[in-house]
Amino acid sequence: GAVVSQHPSRVICKSGTSVKIECRSLDFQATTMFWYRQFPKQSLMLMATSNEGSKATYEQGVEKDKFLINHASLTLSTLTVTSAHPEDSSFYICSAGRTGRGTDTQYFGPGTRLTVL
Amino acid sequence: QKEVEQNSGPLSVPEGAIASLNCTYSDRVSQSFFWYRQYSGKSPELIMSIYSNGDKEDGRFTAQLNKASQYVSLLIRDSQPSDSATYLCAVAGGTSYGKLTFGQGTILTVHP
Repeated sequence: GAVVSQHPSRVICKSGTSVKIECRSLDFQATTMFWYRQFPKQSLMLMATSNEGSKATYEQGVEKDKFLINHASLTLSTLTVTSAHPEDSSFYICSAGRTGRGTDTQYFGPGTRLTVL
Repeated sequence: QKEVEQNSGPLSVPEGAIASLNCTYSDRVSQSFFWYRQYSGKSPELIMSIYSNGDKEDGRFTAQLNKASQYVSLLIRDSQPSDSATYLCAVAGGTSYGKLTFGQGTILTVHP
């Protein structure tokens, strides 16, 4: 299998707080992990690409100082939304590329629904 | 022109019919093509991947790829109400190696 977990599945926070989301590949090693954001009735938007042991590559328009990504091991990447505001409320989904099979096959985590009050 | 285009639908088919979902892409050197299914409020689930021209079958699903026409499709045979979801076409390789570019998704409704 290729199982990816995310934690938490849902979080509600006050404006100005920071939120950390964890993404884990449970049964395989992932050289590359990806973070997406999805607003209602829209498709997935890639935020950043995370490679183990190196800095993340952010897509144009994504603030790297606001969305901190750490990929400390081959099975764990974290996304921290710093000083969250209501406009950051969204569905955040990570995916993992399976090492050895190329990174183009991605397996998605179940997502984290963030609501900022 | 969008990089990956899908008919947003909604596409409505009766139970037991064949549902046909289409996707075109603009990057001619794309190498990998995927269909994901996404239920409302859930994350995408990989259904099919296809890399070579022609057909690839997996159960009730058949993916078709035509690189010359830059076209990929998904056929769902014997459609079931549980197939009702948004189907996302994704393309990788070429100038965006390692990244997936998604279409906007096609909403499929299978009615009993």
